[in-house]
Amino acid sequence: SQQGEEDPQALSIQEGENATMNCSYKTSINNLQWYRQNSGRGLVHLILIRSNEREKHSGRLRVTLDTSKKSSSLLITASRAADTASYFCATQTGANNLFFGTGTRLTVIP
Amino acid sequence: DTAVSQTPKYLVTQMGNDKSIKCEQNLGHDTMYWYKQDSKKFLKIMFSYNNKELIINETVPNRFSPKSPDKAHLNLHINSLELGDSAVYFCASSWDREGEQYFGPGTRLTVT
Repeated sequence: SQQGEEDPQALSIQEGENATMNCSYKTSINNLQWYRQNSGRGLVHLILIRSNEREKHSGRLRVTLDTSKKSSSLLITASRAADTASYFCATQTGANNLFFGTGTRLTVIP
Repeated sequence: DTAVSQTPKYLVTQMGNDKSIKCEQNLGHDTMYWYKQDSKKFLKIMFSYNNKELIINETVPNRFSPKSPDKAHLNLHINSLELGDSAVYFCASSWDREGEQYFGPGTRLTVT
């Protein structure tokens, strides 16, 4: 299966703290993407990192990719209550379908 | 200015019925998708459709059939609904088959 796995499944932090979520996958990839899903809503694309990249930033988000370990991490700095959501990693091999991980449920306590 | 829209948002129906979910994107994207999200939040690709080429996930029962009248629309028709079809169905689109995808708000299907 190409499905990724996020770790932890759930994470609860205080506002202002940093949140780190990890994703592991099984096959070679062309890119890895992170998405956010607020409760009852569709997924929103956050960031895409290609297999030849090791780190990428977007605002308060920092994504790393280690293809030798087949893993990625998403760091959200200075978290806010509005960051409360589920976060999914998704892997893609060439012009093929995205395979989503199992998600991390992040709760930021005000 | 909704980029990817789906109708209806909620759908409650009985086993054995046939139903359709509509999806439209106004982004000019070439590729559209249908995903199923189960009660454990696991999101699984069902179909992708790019320039009249349909890619079917082999695990999807043939009761599910996508229909694309044009590049901006990809509808999902489901025959003989079963209890296990209850889930949230998401439509998505992208410029091509590699890259970020834009998701609709989802359709919560409940089969009783």
